[in-house]
Amino acid sequence: KAGVTQTPRYLIKTRGQQVTLSCSPISGHRSVSWYQQTPGQGLQFLFEYFSETQRNKGNFPGRFSGRQFSNSRSEMNVSTLELGDSALYLCASSLASGTGIGELFFGEGSRLTVL
Amino acid sequence: DAKTTQPPSMDCAEGRAANLPCNHSTISGNEYVYWYRQIHSQGPQYIIHGLKNNETNEMASLIITEDRKSSTLILPHATLRDTAVYYCIATSGGSNYKLTFGKGTLLTVNP
Repeated sequence: KAGVTQTPRYLIKTRGQQVTLSCSPISGHRSVSWYQQTPGQGLQFLFEYFSETQRNKGNFPGRFSGRQFSNSRSEMNVSTLELGDSALYLCASSLASGTGIGELFFGEGSRLTVL
Repeated sequence: DAKTTQPPSMDCAEGRAANLPCNHSTISGNEYVYWYRQIHSQGPQYIIHGLKNNETNEMASLIITEDRKSSTLILPHATLRDTAVYYCIATSGGSNYKLTFGKGTLLTVNP
């Protein structure tokens, strides 16, 4: 069974640009979550999507957005990049049956560097 | 989610059991204890979770105290590949599909 796939794995952008990251969940998983990991703040929850609807959102500015498609694939977008957005962005998928968070399966992440 | 407290680092000899403690004294009755680990530069990996009873799977055992205020993750025979940051998380799940990761415990398995 294929795992969670994130693309691109590495990317470099400059301040003010925007970036789109992609996540393909495990087949059959309908929930996709995004996390940001930095050395200073650790792993922080960005948002979670289920059946194309955002169900939960973390404390990030509106420059961070996401969406989920009918095939459960998800994208996140960061606009007007700042130096502090340099981080490892992790996507996780889950069966999300509705009775608990269950087991989250994480991808290997997209490492974004903002210059 | 209840706050969890873990030691910042621990060492373990290869082949010995690694016992990682977690304090969650404010855990509520409907909150599960989850353990994840993150090997350097990889995404976190689910290990095990439990509510009240002790749990065991192919990776580890989870021992939860009777009052549920603390738990211990046990890796029975640690290998060098078990060197990672281990996160203990208490969450009720339900519609709250997010995990609050603390700083975790860096477990270093030494040869």
